[in-house]
Formats: sequence, structure tokens, C-alpha cells
Amino acid sequence: QKEVEQNSGPLSVPEGAIASLNCTYSDRVSQSFFWYRQYSGKSPELIMSIYSNGDKEDGRFTAQLNKASQYVSLLIRDSQPSDSATYLCAELGSNYQLIWGAGTKLIIKP
Amino acid sequence: EPEVTQTPSHQVTQMGQEVILRCVPISNHLYFYWYRQILGQKVEFLVSFYNNEISEKSEIFDDQFSVERPDGSNFTLKIRSTKLEDSAMYFCASSDLGETDTQYFGPGTRLTVL
Repeated sequence: QKEVEQNSGPLSVPEGAIASLNCTYSDRVSQSFFWYRQYSGKSPELIMSIYSNGDKEDGRFTAQLNKASQYVSLLIRDSQPSDSATYLCAELGSNYQLIWGAGTKLIIKP
Repeated sequence: EPEVTQTPSHQVTQMGQEVILRCVPISNHLYFYWYRQILGQKVEFLVSFYNNEISEKSEIFDDQFSVERPDGSNFTLKIRSTKLEDSAMYFCASSDLGETDTQYFGPGTRLTVL
């Protein structure tokens, strides 16, 4: 049974600082990983996908994948109050279904 | 920008009743999914659908549930004989054949079973 683990938080970060979110996964052969953002009562919104070891940057967001250690992380630079949300890590299953972590609640303090 | 739509946004039903949740996936997408999220819990995969048949289902997706693509645009989730524990947000998602790993989510239907 594949599992994705995240610290539920809340993670509190001052405005303008870097927020670092982490996720571990159990299946060593997993290839595709995703970070979604979810505001309360809303649907998940894709932030980034990552498939290869290393870093992938998109604006203020950087995703990092380390397959040897089976972890994925998301860095948010210059954090804004609007970044306050729950961040969901997910991996892609063998039939394209997403397997989700429980999410980390991020609070950006002005 | 194309988007996935879902109706209704909120459905209230009595225990034991049947409900149908509706989704209109992005028009050129060929893979469709249903997920649910019980309040305060993680998102859970229910079922995926491709080429007019179920391609994968979770252990949650038992005989109480069924999916259908009744026409070229709608994708429905039917829940028979609803139970209190079926109360949750139900999300529909779709993805393109060319990028099957990028799933786009609808806004969700909040199902409340009384």
C-alpha cells in the first residue's frame, strides 16, 4: 500500500521568509509527484509537478525531489499572506490515480 | 481557460436516499476521476475512468457507488442508499491523454447526509 506522509502543521512563517514543506513517500519506484494548494472549503489547485531528482523552479516556488531518500519538498520564497493554505503532496499511482498526503497547514504571519 | 465544473455545489440528502453528482470535464480530456475528502481528512481516490470503463477503483468504491458517462460531456457519480459517513466533499478531475499525470480539479460538491 503506497503512502504519502506529511507533517500536518501548522507551520507558521513570517511574511517575506522562506516556507519549507516536506513530504515522504513509501514506494521506491514512484516516478511522479505533485504539490497542490488547498484553501479551506475549496478544491486542490496544482502548484507544481516534479519527476526527476533535483530542483524545479517556477516563480517563487521550488520543488525538490530526492528519490534515494524518498522525499519531496516545496520551498516558497518571499512568502505572502495569500500563501496561507494547506499544501498537499501527492504521488501518481500505477493507473494515474493520485495518492495524497494529509497536507501541511501553512500560516504566513504579516 | 477551460475548467472542470461540478453540480450541485451542495447537496443535502436523507440517509438511505440515492444521489447523483455531476461533473463536466475539460472538453478534450479523456481520463476522469472522482475523489472525496471527509472534513478534516485527506483527499481519497475513489475511481478513474477511461474509454467508457473504470480503469481503477479504490476499496472505498464498493457496490454502493457507480460512475457513468451518459453523453459526450457529463461524468456522473451515483451513490446509492447514502450513509452518514458518505458526507464529504466530492471532487471530479480530468486529464488529457498527452499529459495523463496532470489532473485538473472541479470546485467540488459538498454532500451532507442527514
